[in-house]
Amino acid sequence: GQNIDQPTEMTATEGAIVQINCTYQTSGFNGLFWYQQHAGEAPTFLSYNVLDGLEEKGRFSSFLSRSKGYSYLLLKELQMKDSASYLCAVRDWGTDKLIFGTGTRLQVFP
Amino acid sequence: EPEVTQTPSHQVTQMGQEVILRCVPISNHLYFYWYRQILGQKVEFLVSFYNNEISEKSEIFDDQFSVERPDGSNFTLKIRSTKLEDSAMYFCASSEAVEAKNIQYFGAGTRLSVL
Repeated sequence: GQNIDQPTEMTATEGAIVQINCTYQTSGFNGLFWYQQHAGEAPTFLSYNVLDGLEEKGRFSSFLSRSKGYSYLLLKELQMKDSASYLCAVRDWGTDKLIFGTGTRLQVFP
Repeated sequence: EPEVTQTPSHQVTQMGQEVILRCVPISNHLYFYWYRQILGQKVEFLVSFYNNEISEKSEIFDDQFSVERPDGSNFTLKIRSTKLEDSAMYFCASSEAVEAKNIQYFGAGTRLSVL
């Protein structure tokens, strides 16, 4: 079966660093995506990993270990506007569809 | 920045009625998708569409659902006879090409409420 797990909620303080973990069990693997979703808005693309290692993009980084079925999204220098849900999604082989986790709701406090 | 647009933002309908949800994908994109998200649950894939035909569909996408690209810009999802359990946020997405990344860009969604 296909299963993607993320923590449901996390809290952090403005200026801090937070790591959001995602573990997956899928029949195949052809890329992992992180999206940010503010309440009532579209999921917006943050990052993509298909090879093991770290991808850095400004304040956001994403890491992948395919052998462990594990990824994390690292957010540095947190800002209030980073309060949102963060969705981990995996693409299987031979398909375009994304399989989403339930999302992690991050609340950033002053 | 180009974006996927969806209309209406909120649709209220009676059970058994037909609804059509509309999407305008990003103009140079070739692959189109519909996903849904029931309140408090995960985003679920419904269907993908390429070259004027369905390329993949999920178990959710039964005979009550259909998709169409009626012209060069619109992509629609029709639900023929809505059920209470069809109440959800429906997201349209599009991507440029099936390549290594094939990033899917999402619209803001249509909230469907079936009464």
